[in-house]
Amino acid sequence: KAGVTQTPRYLIKTRGQQVTLSCSPISGHRSVSWYQQTPGQGLQFLFEYFSETQRNKGNFPGRFSGRQFSNSRSEMNVSTLELGDSALYLCASSLEGEGVGELFFGEGSRLTVL
Amino acid sequence: GQQVMQIPQYQHVQEGEDFTTYCNSSTTLSNIQWYKQRPGGHPVFLIQLVKSGEVKKQKRLTFQFGEAKKNSSLHITATQTTDVGTYFCALRRGGAQKLVFGQGTRLTINP
Repeated sequence: KAGVTQTPRYLIKTRGQQVTLSCSPISGHRSVSWYQQTPGQGLQFLFEYFSETQRNKGNFPGRFSGRQFSNSRSEMNVSTLELGDSALYLCASSLEGEGVGELFFGEGSRLTVL
Repeated sequence: GQQVMQIPQYQHVQEGEDFTTYCNSSTTLSNIQWYKQRPGGHPVFLIQLVKSGEVKKQKRLTFQFGEAKKNSSLHITATQTTDVGTYFCALRRGGAQKLVFGQGTRLTINP
């Protein structure tokens, strides 16, 4: 069974640009969550999607958005990038949803904003 | 919001020594999960604890859930270099959907 796949793995952007990250969950998993990981703030919850609906949202500005498609694949978008958005963005999938069962994390997309 | 405190933030040990990380919540928890992230890697699920006072073992790792379901610990006996990484607890308060991760304890080992 293939794991969670995230693309791209690495990317460099400049301030003001926007970025789209993609996540393909494990086959059969309907829940996809996104996290931002930085050395100073640890793992911060961005949002969770379940069956194409955003079920939970973290405390991030509206520049951070996401969506989930009918095949459970998910994308997250960050607009008007700021230097502080440099981070590892992790996607995690699960069968039922956050906190109910284990999360399976992807390798992450490392974003650098210059 | 839900307060999560994980201590210590860093721990350096000699290979063969024991290691313990603690996770404390200000509110009663529905369950708690533990994850390990190797340097340069992604978090990997270790275990989930649900019952008050629960103790679970995985080889040299022992996980405990407090009687009041407000704290948990992960203890590693006789550390090995393969144990290097950051250990995170992840909490879910009853009724809440999302997990809240602790800040993690970074374990380094002197061989």
